[in-house]
Amino acid sequence: AQTVTQSQPEMSVQEAETVTLSCTYDTSENNYYLFWYKQPPSRQMILVIRQEAYKQQNATENRFSVNFQKAAKSFSLKISDSQLGDTAMYFCAFMSGTSYGKLTFGQGTILTVHP
Amino acid sequence: NAGVTQTPKFQVLKTGQSMTLQCAQDMNHNSMYWYRQDPGMGLRLIYYSASEGTTDKGEVPNGYNVSRLNKREFSLRLESAAPSQTSVYFCASSGWDSPRGTQYFGPGTRLTVL
Repeated sequence: AQTVTQSQPEMSVQEAETVTLSCTYDTSENNYYLFWYKQPPSRQMILVIRQEAYKQQNATENRFSVNFQKAAKSFSLKISDSQLGDTAMYFCAFMSGTSYGKLTFGQGTILTVHP
Repeated sequence: NAGVTQTPKFQVLKTGQSMTLQCAQDMNHNSMYWYRQDPGMGLRLIYYSASEGTTDKGEVPNGYNVSRLNKREFSLRLESAAPSQTSVYFCASSGWDSPRGTQYFGPGTRLTVL
């Protein structure tokens, strides 16, 4: 079974600065997908960014980018120019290419952006 | 488009009571999912339905049943609620026209079992 580990229970950053959230996973598969979801205090789960394992290029979405290291099974999220609205719980998630739809989530990292 | 909707938003039950959590999506998605979120454990898959007419167990199915009523609706039933089922429950959906693997979540139901 796959596991996803987020080793940072809490992180904080000053507004406008950059922060990196860590995620590692364990799998024996070669074809899979990785995701970062954001959960603000409203509780709504919002997709931040998605990475396909067969693509070597790191995904980017505006201020959000990932550092995908397939050999190391590492998938970190970098948030640039942090904004107060980025304050949220962030979840890393894994989906096997053969078990379509079954997401395995990490424990989450609470990110607080300070003014 | 409302996306994924869930009812109720909050519920308090006594041990042994039953209830059904409702979920509906208006995105014409084939697949639907039920997760529970507990502190420090992220979200865990309870049941999923890959397509209308099919359901399968996820990681933590014990104590729950599901019904895929039609393509839009997927309900989760607790037959005899236990305090261990106190949690936040999320419904999600995904479709063939979504970027592969991407799931869209409802707003969640906070359930407390006393």
